[in-house]
Amino acid sequence: GQSLEQPSEVTAVEGAIVQINCTYQTSGFYGLSWYQQHDGGAPTFLSYNALDGLEETGRFSSFLSRSDSYGYLLLQELQMKDSASYFCAVRDAMIKAAGNKLTFGGGTRVLVKP
Amino acid sequence: GAVVSQHPSWVICKSGTSVKIECRSLDFQATTMFWYRQFPKQSLMLMATSNEGSKATYEQGVEKDKFLINHASLTLSTLTVTSAHPEDSSFYICSVPLILPGGDEQFFGPGTRLTVL
Repeated sequence: GQSLEQPSEVTAVEGAIVQINCTYQTSGFYGLSWYQQHDGGAPTFLSYNALDGLEETGRFSSFLSRSDSYGYLLLQELQMKDSASYFCAVRDAMIKAAGNKLTFGGGTRVLVKP
Repeated sequence: GAVVSQHPSWVICKSGTSVKIECRSLDFQATTMFWYRQFPKQSLMLMATSNEGSKATYEQGVEKDKFLINHASLTLSTLTVTSAHPEDSSFYICSVPLILPGGDEQFFGPGTRLTVL
């Protein structure tokens, strides 16, 4: 089975940096993904790490340590529009296939204040 | 990526009625689609994997006879909530998985908010 742990809520001010940690326990592993979801909306893909290290995409970066079963999403230069829920997710397979299921963490609600 | 639509975006129904939700992949032929359910302020819970031309695969604890899934074509999967009850009120979201150069992603539909009175 799979389990993912992430903080339930984080509050920060505009311009700040927020790090959302995600630890996971999985029977198989093929990458850690991050999704953003605004209230009432659909989740949208942010990043994906299959190998150890840091992936940077604009203001958002994602890190993975497979040996520690740990990853994080880093949100820099926070903006009001970044207020949303952020989910980490793992794919429970060693084979790369589109039909592989994702298991999502509980989500972290990020509230950005002026 | 993939553009995914859902219809309806919201529905209110009486207890005991059945509700059909459509998920369409508008620009990609999807042999697999996923159906999720999300309660307020909670995570996405996978309900089932919809497979084109074959039976859906349900997650543990999801009643097959209550949540009927049909994947009749490469662009359409439907979820029918049969004999809906207030506890079935939730946000239902479908997704289409793709393998892309940067990694594999799931592209989500906008969701359907079901309220059962």
